Amino acid sequence: DAMVIQNPRYQVTQFGKPVTLSCSQTLNHNVMYWYQQKSSQAPKLLFHYYDKDFNNEADTPDNFQSRRPNTSFCFLDIRSPGLGDAAMYLCATSRDLGTPGEQFFGPGTRLTVL
Amino acid sequence: GQNIDQPTEMTATEGAIVQINCTYQTSGFNGLFWYQQHAGEAPTFLSYNVLDGLEEKGRFSSFLSRSKGYSYLLLKELQMKDSASYLCAVNTNAGKSTFGDGTTLTVKP
Repeated sequence: DAMVIQNPRYQVTQFGKPVTLSCSQTLNHNVMYWYQQKSSQAPKLLFHYYDKDFNNEADTPDNFQSRRPNTSFCFLDIRSPGLGDAAMYLCATSRDLGTPGEQFFGPGTRLTVL
Repeated sequence: GQNIDQPTEMTATEGAIVQINCTYQTSGFNGLFWYQQHAGEAPTFLSYNVLDGLEEKGRFSSFLSRSKGYSYLLLKELQMKDSASYLCAVNTNAGKSTFGDGTTLTVKP
């Protein structure tokens, strides 16, 4: 089945130790998004890629970076995780920008920072 | 900027009907989505409205009034499995969705 896959589902890292979360999709969608979601809060958009074009949200900390080496894969790099970065990280895709269409979410990676 | 408001929590009884409201303020409105999110899981798409009126899909219906900046999600014949968080998300012409904090619905026997 076409889907959005995130690995790992659970990630534990140490304060300040770089960590990379991965996302892949078999939907062949143009747009890939990364969201941060903390308990009982809305998913907060960090950035998105439209094809190879990277779009950073104004309030996304510099500590968060992303790479999209090809259509299928997108990575979230947290350079120096702090305790406040512990959250669920959701990857999502949509067919296109501007044209209405639902986002398809991966199962998420829950990040714990020790 | 965008502002999305929805109630934090609601409780309803199995078999009943519940309406979850969402109000929003935005520029460049390009549709409103409702997503369902079970605890610890990813959001899943429920409905999409871009024109005023009611969209019905089985037990779930969604309504939109663009002039009032208002939407609701109506759930009929509630089941225990409907206990989840329901997220209202506003899409803009830029193609991005801004999510509300979600309404946690608890369905009781």
